[in-house]
Amino acid sequence: EPEVTQTPSHQVTQMGQEVILRCVPISNHLYFYWYRQILGQKVEFLVSFYNNEISEKSEIFDDQFSVERPDGSNFTLKIRSTKLEDSAMYFCASSVERSETQYFGPGTRLLVL
Amino acid sequence: AQTVTQSQPEMSVQEAETVTLSCTYDTSENNYYLFWYKQPPSRQMILVIRQEAYKQQNATENRFSVNFQKAAKSFSLKISDSQLGDTAMYFCAFMPRSGGGADGLTFGKGTHLIIQP
Repeated sequence: EPEVTQTPSHQVTQMGQEVILRCVPISNHLYFYWYRQILGQKVEFLVSFYNNEISEKSEIFDDQFSVERPDGSNFTLKIRSTKLEDSAMYFCASSVERSETQYFGPGTRLLVL
Repeated sequence: AQTVTQSQPEMSVQEAETVTLSCTYDTSENNYYLFWYKQPPSRQMILVIRQEAYKQQNATENRFSVNFQKAAKSFSLKISDSQLGDTAMYFCAFMPRSGGGADGLTFGKGTHLIIQP
């Protein structure tokens, strides 16, 4: 069964450094998403992406974040200058169409020191 | 904006028992989806079950079923014959289906379900 994959599974970085989190959505899916889950808290929507542009973003998704689909398979989330509070689990998800079931990847655990 | 409330932070039952997790939501939308996702200790988010608001029939997936009460905006998850592998965080989530709705899922805070041997 096809699934969403994410790399790396864990990432440790120093405050102020840039990180890129990678995702490979399910191949026939058209909508891609990033979510964040700070430890012990609920999952929060960051951004959705369709047709090579942002479809919607939340108030969390400020100028330090960016998303890109650099090739036909990868979908990336870049955090330009990480802060301590960016430490969280980051989930990628994809869906066939907007407003259809979203399937999640296994997540990347980001720790900012 | 939508809100999703899960009022049970933690529940514990014995293996083979039936357990019901509660979820209520608030929305002005009429057409939407509701989901239950499971997050085991590995922290992966796994879809358990989906309900379409326009369908009156409650969704079922093997041992998992929902009680969807649209007027009451309630969406509970029943797990029958619970198994040790059901131990996980369970998140209720909402997504509008209409064209002007948000793309992102709105999640509740989760219920930590522990199945005791």
